[in-house]
Order: sequence, then structure tokens, then C-alpha cells
Amino acid sequence: DADVTQTPRNRITKTGKRIMLECSQTKGHDRMYWYRQDPGLGLRLIYYSFDVKDINKGEISDGYSVSRQAQAKFSLSLESAIPNQTALYFCATSDPAREGGKLFFGSGTQLSVL
Amino acid sequence: GQSLEQPSEVTAVEGAIVQINCTYQTSGFYGLSWYQQHDGGAPTFLSYNALDGLEETGRFSSFLSRSDSYGYLLLQELQMKDSASYFCAVRDVRRSNYQLIWGAGTKLIIKP
Repeated sequence: DADVTQTPRNRITKTGKRIMLECSQTKGHDRMYWYRQDPGLGLRLIYYSFDVKDINKGEISDGYSVSRQAQAKFSLSLESAIPNQTALYFCATSDPAREGGKLFFGSGTQLSVL
Repeated sequence: GQSLEQPSEVTAVEGAIVQINCTYQTSGFYGLSWYQQHDGGAPTFLSYNALDGLEETGRFSSFLSRSDSYGYLLLQELQMKDSASYFCAVRDVRRSNYQLIWGAGTKLIIKP
């Protein structure tokens, strides 16, 4: 069973629609992240959370929002999707005390905005 | 500014050795990580260097020179399953909570 699970795996939506990407983890990690990956650009951080009451913007948070519903759940929302948000989205977790700087990634959600 | 540079693509032969370089520019360097990502898959952690020198994990080794702002990932006895993209990422103390800066990735193509 995957330790970090993302749903859906693929999503096609239309411009202006609101969509939510979900992430859950069974690793017991406090820290969770949402990244976006575009071809040739590597990974860019959208939002991160160090516990349920701690939410922080990353380098490209505009147009996105997040919710940390529980230690194990961290969802990403696009309030009004636009085509340049077409990308591969990854959720990740970490536990610096036990795992150092290592990030554990989910399988990703390929989002296409038409 | 902050930046990482790594080659976009490297080609090697099965059974050979290949080195993927990463140079970085940041005033708040804390450590260098390497991740592997197969097509359509998630990045997976390979190694982390905070101090100068070589870290070895099986067929993979990672090297860091802080004075040269340079590191590399060395893959030995290449296998077809090593065909993937490899990302270097720097942990930067000047970023909030030591966030990672990611390189654009190096696609490793392995030929039989």
C-alpha cells in the first residue's frame, strides 16, 4: 500500500471550474507539501504545512488554496482553473527528526485544464 | 540569486559508469539532495550530502564540494532500469523553513 496517496491520478477540467486534489498519508509525518512539475522546470512548491494549524505559501501559490483537514490529509484546490495550471501535481511528506531532509512523494495527479 | 544547473540529458551504455553534475548558486547552502524519477512516476530520494566528500549507497554515489558549489551523482554498472530523470535539489537556509530549490532535471538515456 502506498504511504502517500493522491486522488485522482488524472483529471481533465474546463477553464473556470473549481477542482480539488486530495492527498492522504499513512507515514505519520507532520509536514506535508504540494508541488507542481512542468516539463523542463523541475518541481516548484505551491503550499506547505508543518501541522494542522500551520499553512504556508510556497513560491507559486497564486491561484491555489489548501486545506489541512487532519495530520494525514492535505488537499489542494484550484478555485477557478486556467489552462496554464495544466501540470503534474505532487503531494509530499517529510519528518526531519526521523528522516532528515528526505521527501516522500505521492504518485502524482496529471491535471489538464482545457 | 538562487539557481541550480544540471545537464538536460545524458546518454550512456548499459554496464558503464555515468556522472551527472549539478552546480548551484545560493548564499544559504545547507545540503544537496538527489532524486530519481521514472517517466510517469514520483520522485524518489537517492542521497543527501551536507558535508564535502563522497556518499556511497550501492551502485550510486553522490559527491559534494561546498567550496566549488558543485556536486555530482555517480551511477555505476548501469542497468536499463536506471533510465530516468535525476534531479538535484539544494536546501537553502535563507528560504523559509529551509525549503528546497530544485534543478530542472537530467534525463538519463541508457543504450544496450
